[in-house]
Formats: sequence, C-alpha cells, structure tokens
Amino acid sequence: GQNIDQPTEMTATEGAIVQINCTYQTSGFNGLFWYQQHAGEAPTFLSYNVLDGLEEKGRFSSFLSRSKGYSYLLLKELQMKDSASYLCAVKDSNYQLIWGAGTKLIIKP
Amino acid sequence: DAMVIQNPRYQVTQFGKPVTLSCSQTLNHNVMYWYQQKSSQAPKLLFHYYDKDFNNEADTPDNFQSRRPNTSFCFLDIRSPGLGDAAMYLCATSRLQEGTSGSNEQFFGPGTRLTVL
Repeated sequence: GQNIDQPTEMTATEGAIVQINCTYQTSGFNGLFWYQQHAGEAPTFLSYNVLDGLEEKGRFSSFLSRSKGYSYLLLKELQMKDSASYLCAVKDSNYQLIWGAGTKLIIKP
Repeated sequence: DAMVIQNPRYQVTQFGKPVTLSCSQTLNHNVMYWYQQKSSQAPKLLFHYYDKDFNNEADTPDNFQSRRPNTSFCFLDIRSPGLGDAAMYLCATSRLQEGTSGSNEQFFGPGTRLTVL
C-alpha cells in the first residue's frame, strides 16, 4: 500500500528552528509537496521538491532524498503564527496526490 | 484576486436530509477536486474533474455525487448524510494537466464545515 508518515505533533519555541520529517512509500514518485494548514482553514502551498536536495524559500526550506523516501521541512526563526499543521503529500506514478495526516506544530513563547 | 470560493462556510443538516455544497473558482484552472477532511486526518480525495472528465475515487461512497456544469463551478451532493459524514469539505483546483512539467500545486478554497444532527 501507499503510506506517508509524519510525526503527529511537535513543540518548539518562538525564534528557534524546527525540522518536520516525512517518509513515504508510494507506487512511483512525481514530486513531494508541503502544505501549511491553520486550524479550521484550508491547506496553503508551501513548497515542492521533485529532485534531490534543498529548496529554500525565506524562513522555510524543504529537503528531498528520493533514494531514502524522505523529506523534511525546516522552519527558521519561528513565529507564533507558524503554529499550524504541516502536511506532506506525494504525487505517485498515476499523478495522484497521497497525503500524510499532518504534523501539528505548537509554538511556545 | 483570483481565488477558490466555497459556500456556505458552515452547513448544518439533519440526518438523511440531502445537502449540496458549492465551489467556484476564478483561476480558470482545468482541474477541480473535492476532498473530505476529518479532524487530525489527511484530506481524502472524493472526486476530481479534468475539464468535464469526471473521476470517481474507488472508495468514495455512492452517497456522494458531484456535478461540474462549467469550468468555474463544481458541486458536491450528499444524498443522505449520516453522522459519519460530518467533516470539512475542501474544494481545490490545479492548472496543468497531469504529466506535464511543473509543480502543478493545488489551490484550496476555505472549506465548508458540515455538521449532521
């Protein structure tokens, strides 16, 4: 079967750095997405990786290793507004998006 | 601003009473999706359209149906809502045909939270 694994919940301190990991087992690979979802709201697109390596976008970076079936989202200089769920999603060989259940990130002052 | 709009944002219905959720988009995207998302769970794809080409996920219950009368609008009909259908329903769009280059990320509407009494 197809599977996306992420930690259920993480806690970090304002101003710090946090890394949210995602591992996947899918039938084929056509890209990995990270979305941010605030409570009660819709997901919003953060990043896309299709080749190995690090993609940096402001305070957020996303890393991919296809051989390991692994990605992480790195958030720097954490702000209270970063408290949200972060969803990892992989596009499989049929271009279907397989979603993880999300990691709830709690930021403490 | 181009966007995905869902109405209503909150919908309360009675057990077994049909309900229709609507979605419209001003992005002129080819593909539209309906997802069901329950608390702390991954979004579950119910249907998607590429233009008017309808794709029903294998495990979507028969109780759920969808219509896309034109590029801009899409509807989700729940014929006989049960307590287990209470969830957030998300509409999303994407621009490119699958298999082409680019991220082809999905753009989501704000969602409709459905309560079944």
